[in-house]
Amino acid sequence: DTGVSQDPRHKITKRGQNVTFRCDPISEHNRLYWYRQTLGQGPEFLTYFQNEAQLEKSRLLSDRFSAERPKGSFSTLEIQRTEQGDSAMYLCASSLALGTGRVTEAFFGQGTRLTVV
Amino acid sequence: AQKITQTQPGMFVQEKEAVTLDCTYDTSDPSYGLFWYKQPSSGEMIFLIYQGSYDQQNATEGRYSLNFQKARKSANLVISASQLGDSAMYFCAMREGRNTDKLIFGTGTRLQVFP
Repeated sequence: DTGVSQDPRHKITKRGQNVTFRCDPISEHNRLYWYRQTLGQGPEFLTYFQNEAQLEKSRLLSDRFSAERPKGSFSTLEIQRTEQGDSAMYLCASSLALGTGRVTEAFFGQGTRLTVV
Repeated sequence: AQKITQTQPGMFVQEKEAVTLDCTYDTSDPSYGLFWYKQPSSGEMIFLIYQGSYDQQNATEGRYSLNFQKARKSANLVISASQLGDSAMYFCAMREGRNTDKLIFGTGTRLQVFP
């Protein structure tokens, strides 16, 4: 399978616990994005990387959230001290930024559904 | 103000008929891109079609076409010859300007195709 893969697909955690999600992008893609989607809403942007560099972060990404892409391949999203409001689908996507300035469309994974109880 | 507005929470269409899903956008930046994604119940967002703000012609991809009306700031998705497998959530999104790569999504339209 050469698509974007996310692990785990589902996570149930108790309030106050830390959780970490992993995303493996399409192998030749240099851009990687994280979005959060709550019920009945469209995805909301959290952050994106080009290779290892984190280029943009949303104000939604509070200090409890951190994302990394240490080797420019897979990425992790960690949420510390989870709250019930963090319950959502966390979507990862990847794309290819070409030297011309053009960026291909983003391909999404199937997401990690987080439930905080 | 909402950047992307999808006013139809739900739409029904009979198999083999065409359907239009509405999307309006709000931006003052002359450079932007508009996208449509399909999200089936499995959760994955599937890219359907893209329209750049400077593109002279409406985008088409197989059964999907984008009715781009720049002056009205609308980018409606037209699905021709609907199939049962088209039943899903559909999201319109915008990438605004040249200095960001984030997508801003609307709230989506749930399309149900019936036999």
